[in-house]
Amino acid sequence: NAGVTQTPKFQVLKTGQSMTLQCAQDMNHEYMSWYRQDPGMGLRLIHYSVGAGITDQGEVPNGYNVSRSTTEDFPLRLLSAAPSQTSVYFCASSYSWTGGGEKLFFGSGTQLSVL
Amino acid sequence: DQQVKQNSPSLSVQEGRISILNCDYTNSMFDYFLWYKKYPAEGPTFLISISSIKDKNEDGRFTVFLNKSAKHLSLHIVPSQPGDSAVYFCAASLYSGGGADGLTFGKGTHLIIQP
Repeated sequence: NAGVTQTPKFQVLKTGQSMTLQCAQDMNHEYMSWYRQDPGMGLRLIHYSVGAGITDQGEVPNGYNVSRSTTEDFPLRLLSAAPSQTSVYFCASSYSWTGGGEKLFFGSGTQLSVL
Repeated sequence: DQQVKQNSPSLSVQEGRISILNCDYTNSMFDYFLWYKKYPAEGPTFLISISSIKDKNEDGRFTVFLNKSAKHLSLHIVPSQPGDSAVYFCAASLYSGGGADGLTFGKGTHLIIQP
């Protein structure tokens, strides 16, 4: 079982460039999400999805777009990269999200640097 | 304003001794608490959780204690082993019915187990 797969593992962008961080899970999970981790900070929620075709914003959504056309995939798009988006990005999924704190399965992360 | 606080960035413990990691929270609406463990270059993995209706939950060497009146929880690891060296994140969830707005994470505590 691959679990949650993120690509690429590392990426360097120039300011203003766009790119897509890929996330795929093979566990048939309804819920998928993107977090970012900055030095000295906890993980912060960017966007999430409770099923195909349904997405919503998290705590820090500005500068990012998402879509969920299939259950398996949840790509994160940076429209015009800024140095403030330099971070480690984690995709996470869970079977459902019923408000009881379902346990998330995380990918191994994408380290993004914006110059 | 940080709602989940881990005030010790790092903790060093001798192998075989008890490790105690602390976490404080400010939002009394949090209803479910989780601990995640993270090794370098990997995503966080779920370790143990506790519901607000309990004050203790045990899983092998790991025990989480919750003091709701003090808004404080702690993770005890007994005995500590070299493989426990990692960053530990405390996280909290609102019982909001939907719950899809994710977990609120602390900044993490880097636990170092000394031989």
